[in-house]
Amino acid sequence: EAGVAQSPRYKIIEKRQSVAFWCNPISGHATLYWYQQILGQGPKLLIQFQNNGVVDDSQLPKDRFSAERLKGVDSTLKIQPAKLEDSAVYLCASVLAGERYEQFFGPGTRLTVL
Amino acid sequence: AQSVTQLGSHVSVSEGALVLLRCNYSSSVPPYLFWYVQYPNQGLQLLLKYTTGATLVKGINGFEAEFKKSETSFHLTKPSAHMSDAAEYFCAVTPSGGYQKVTFGTGTKLQVIP
Repeated sequence: EAGVAQSPRYKIIEKRQSVAFWCNPISGHATLYWYQQILGQGPKLLIQFQNNGVVDDSQLPKDRFSAERLKGVDSTLKIQPAKLEDSAVYLCASVLAGERYEQFFGPGTRLTVL
Repeated sequence: AQSVTQLGSHVSVSEGALVLLRCNYSSSVPPYLFWYVQYPNQGLQLLLKYTTGATLVKGINGFEAEFKKSETSFHLTKPSAHMSDAAEYFCAVTPSGGYQKVTFGTGTKLQVIP
């Protein structure tokens, strides 16, 4: 079974630039999460999708972050414009419906904002 | 609201020695508890979980954890450390019942000394 795919793996940008991350969850997983993991901290939930609908985006900085999950499969997380404090690893995770406690994580995208 | 405290951001053990990683939680309702492992440049992988039933939970790679309600703890142990256990370990909590997000601790980096 293929795992959660994320791209790119690494991205370096200057502050005020825009960036987008892509996630392809495990086939059949209806629930998808985006997490932000700052160095030395645990993952912090940014947004949760159930199919193509948003379940929880209470911690998403909506003035600069946006996310979508078209057709309930792939998802894209965008930052526009980026700030220095956005430097982090962005993790995508997916869950099989009814098994919300076992999240399968992708390898993450490491973003460096200069 | 729930929270997780992991005591010790770095733990060093000798190969073959006991591994003990500490986790205390706070939750206003009965919790579900998890331990995840993260190897360098990889996403998180579920080691074990406690939801209901037996309070001693066995996971992958010889790890186990015991849910102690009276101590609000869920410490992770392994009788004999192996070099391949070197990684970062995250404890996580979510309230049982209904939808609630998973809250992660700040992580403990385990070093295994040969």
